[in-house]
Amino acid sequence: GQNIDQPTEMTATEGAIVQINCTYQTSGFNGLFWYQQHAGEAPTFLSYNVLDGLEEKGRFSSFLSRSKGYSYLLLKELQMKDSASYLCAVVSGNTPLVFGKGTRLSVIA
Amino acid sequence: DSGVTQTPKHLITATGQRVTLRCSPRSGDLSVYWYQQSLDQGLQFLIQYYNGEERAKGNILERFSAQQFPDLHSELNLSSLELGDSALYFCASSVVSGRQETQYFGPGTRLLVL
Repeated sequence: GQNIDQPTEMTATEGAIVQINCTYQTSGFNGLFWYQQHAGEAPTFLSYNVLDGLEEKGRFSSFLSRSKGYSYLLLKELQMKDSASYLCAVVSGNTPLVFGKGTRLSVIA
Repeated sequence: DSGVTQTPKHLITATGQRVTLRCSPRSGDLSVYWYQQSLDQGLQFLIQYYNGEERAKGNILERFSAQQFPDLHSELNLSSLELGDSALYFCASSVVSGRQETQYFGPGTRLLVL
């Protein structure tokens, strides 16, 4: 089976940097996704990592270490609108995406 | 706007009833996925269709069924509804680029069973 762990909640200050971690146990790893989900809305795609290293996309970056089963999402210059849940999801073998329970981020002034 | 549409947006019904949720994928996407999201749970994968055929099954109850039609829209049927079926139901369609298959989600249907 697959297991994905993320912190349940985090709080950070506007303008700051926050790192949201995700650890996973899976076999036949094919890639890792990060999605953003505002309350009551659809998840929206943020990033995809399949190789080790850092992928940067504007204020958001995502890192992957396959040997450690570890990823993080880095959000810089936090804005109030970044308050949302951040979902880590892993694809392995021929199985569809498995999502973690998500990390609820609150950005405070 | 992801390009995936779902109807209805909201649905209120009673226990024991049956409902149908509808999803239209993005133009050109052949895969449709259905997910359930309850308050205390993450996104739970229910079922996937690809070009009209069932491709993968997750934790979908026997009371639930789905199908994908020749025009690629999909329907999720929920029957003998229970209070615990109250949740957000999302569908997603996917696009493949090289080895990356990215899912794009519809706005969801919020189901409330009373």
